[in-house]
Amino acid sequence: GENVEQHPSTLSVQEGDSAVIKCTYSDSASNYFPWYKQELGKRPQLIIDIRSNVGEKKDQRIAVTLNKTAKHFSLHITETQPEDSAVYFCAAKDPGTYKYIFGTGTRLKVLA
Amino acid sequence: SAVISQKPSRDICQRGTSLTIQCQVDSQVTMMFWYRQQPGQSLTLIATANQGSEATYESGFVIDKFPISRPNLTFSTLTVSNMSPEDSSIYLCSVSESGGGPGEQFFGPGTRLTVL
Repeated sequence: GENVEQHPSTLSVQEGDSAVIKCTYSDSASNYFPWYKQELGKRPQLIIDIRSNVGEKKDQRIAVTLNKTAKHFSLHITETQPEDSAVYFCAAKDPGTYKYIFGTGTRLKVLA
Repeated sequence: SAVISQKPSRDICQRGTSLTIQCQVDSQVTMMFWYRQQPGQSLTLIATANQGSEATYESGFVIDKFPISRPNLTFSTLTVSNMSPEDSSIYLCSVSESGGGPGEQFFGPGTRLTVL
């Protein structure tokens, strides 16, 4: 089955700097990769996703890139703000099912 | 996207007892899932709740411990049976509205369970 690895586990950046979180997946047939943001005590919120027929997707300050050959995808946050501080989870859809396999999470701290 | 609610939002239970968590959606959805999130950890899928049939459980989770019902396309319950302190977690339901192909999943607010 699908396996997802996520790095780093924690990330601290200065306000205004960029943050990058990377994930790798094992099954080349995976075709959908969402990213979730979870603030303390809250539910995971879908912030951006990418499908396997696209190499990059952008939504204001966040972007996701996908490299199918290398089987990795990354979340990029530019001009970080304190409210970006949260735990971010990547996921990959398990091929042939509706299930997601989640990465282990990255705790992002944006320092003012 | 669908509005998802869960009851209870939190509970403190004694070991050996059972708790049933409800998940209600304001529209009909194709897929419903139940996850566990242990403190400081990622999301682990417990099972897929199938409407009108038995749930599909992931490795390490069994029906006797986590019975699930899904009587219709807007409602599901998860029971945590014969609880022990190791069951202390946040339990989340999620829904997907797409019947085919990749589909976005949206999460309910979660149920924070503490077992003493």
